Amino acid sequence: EIVLTQSPGTLSLSPGERATLSCRASQSVSNNYLVWYQQKPGQAPRLLIYAASTRATDIPDRFSGGGSGTYFTLTISRLEPEDSAVYYCQQYGSSPPVIFGQGTHLEIK
Amino acid sequence: QAQLVESGAEVKKPGASVKVSCKASGYTFTNFGISWVRRAPGQGLEWLGWISPYNGERNYAQKFQGRVSMTTDTSTTTAYMELRSLRVDDTAVYYCVRDQGDPWYFDLWGRGTLVTVSS
Repeated sequence: EIVLTQSPGTLSLSPGERATLSCRASQSVSNNYLVWYQQKPGQAPRLLIYAASTRATDIPDRFSGGGSGTYFTLTISRLEPEDSAVYYCQQYGSSPPVIFGQGTHLEIK
Repeated sequence: QAQLVESGAEVKKPGASVKVSCKASGYTFTNFGISWVRRAPGQGLEWLGWISPYNGERNYAQKFQGRVSMTTDTSTTTAYMELRSLRVDDTAVYYCVRDQGDPWYFDLWGRGTLVTVSS
């Protein structure tokens, strides 16, 4: 069974800086079927990136996904206060079919 | 505008069952799967399973096999998730989500239903 490990657990940055979040898989993610979500407090998660690097509808180009195989990244450039959230990676297309990482807390102060 | 709206918060005792509904609107219900995802307090996201409103095909997470049932009603474009033999650690916000595959990933989320299990 694939395990996704996200790092760091918590990240604290300032507005205007760049954040790089990582998601490491215990085995290769088939077809780079890796997704990123953003969840703000009290809200449902929002799809940011699918297929490792394709931005979802209406997601600003400050958000970019990269990586392949077992190592993936979510980069957020020019951080804004509203980027404060928990970010999750998720793989699909393997067995079990859906696995989430444990999340990275991003704080913008 | 596409949206998913879950039923209201529930409080249940251990051992009971809960059935959460999810009304879909603004898109063709049978063109996409529905998955259910939960987030327990202080925990991350957890996938419970998937159902196809088109043909009723299901795929449940192994952890919930035997305890979860998912159904859909295409006449009312509503999906349902029933979880039985509830435990305190089933306390969570339960989300219905529109699934781009079988299952794949989730591009539309409901606001979630809080299910509290407490004696």
